[in-house]
Amino acid sequence: NAGVTQTPKFQVLKTGQSMTLQCAQDMNHNSMYWYRQDPGMGLRLIYYSASEGTTDKGEVPNGYNVSRLNKREFSLRLESAAPSQTSVYFCASSEGGAGTVNYGYTFGSGTRLTVV
Amino acid sequence: AQSVTQLGSHVSVSEGALVLLRCNYSSSVPPYLFWYVQYPNQGLQLLLKYTSAATLVKGINGFEAEFKKSETSFHLTKPSAHMSDAAEYFCAVMFGNEKLTFGTGTRLTIIP
Repeated sequence: NAGVTQTPKFQVLKTGQSMTLQCAQDMNHNSMYWYRQDPGMGLRLIYYSASEGTTDKGEVPNGYNVSRLNKREFSLRLESAAPSQTSVYFCASSEGGAGTVNYGYTFGSGTRLTVV
Repeated sequence: AQSVTQLGSHVSVSEGALVLLRCNYSSSVPPYLFWYVQYPNQGLQLLLKYTSAATLVKGINGFEAEFKKSETSFHLTKPSAHMSDAAEYFCAVMFGNEKLTFGTGTRLTIIP
C-alpha cells in the first residue's frame, strides 16, 4: 500500500539547470497537487490537476510546469532552476471529482531541492 | 478573501499538560477543516477532519478539535501531551473548489 510516491527524495541543482520531479499514486484518485513548503509560510499550492488531462495554476506557479501523464502520475518540471526555488516539494492526491465528498489529501514524503 | 490563520508559530508545553493549538478561518460559508501533523523530515499526515457532521471531531493519537461557527475557529487539543507529539501542526481549509489552503504551521515542543 504505497500511497503517494515521490522521486527523488533529495536533489541539488545549479542555477539554470532543469529537472523533473516525479509523483505517482496508486489509490485511483482523480485529483493531484504539487505544493512547496518554506519556513514560516506553510504549504503553498503550485499546480493541481482535478482530473486526467487537466491542469490549473495554483498560488505560486511561476517558474514551474506540470504534466498529468495519466491518472496515476503528475510531474513537476523546473525549466531553469533559481535559488528562490530551493524548497521542499510535496505531491498529494485526493478522490476529488464532482459529487464526491473530499476527505482530504494523501501526501508523499517530499523532495528536498537545493538550487545553488 | 477566504483564508486560515494559525496563532503562534511555536508552542511549548510540559509533558502531561494540555495541548491547545489555535486555528481561525475566514469565510462566508463554513468550509471543510483539517489538521495535519508533520514529523521531522516526513510528509504530512492527516490528524482529523471536519466535514459538516459532528462539530467535535476526534482524530488519531488522542487529538480532537471543535468546530465553532460563531468564533470561526477549529482549535486542536489534547488533554495530556506526550513526548512523541513534538512535531509541526498545520491547519487547513477547503472550500468549494476542493483545493486545500494551509496555515503557516505551529511547531509544538514538549518539555520533559
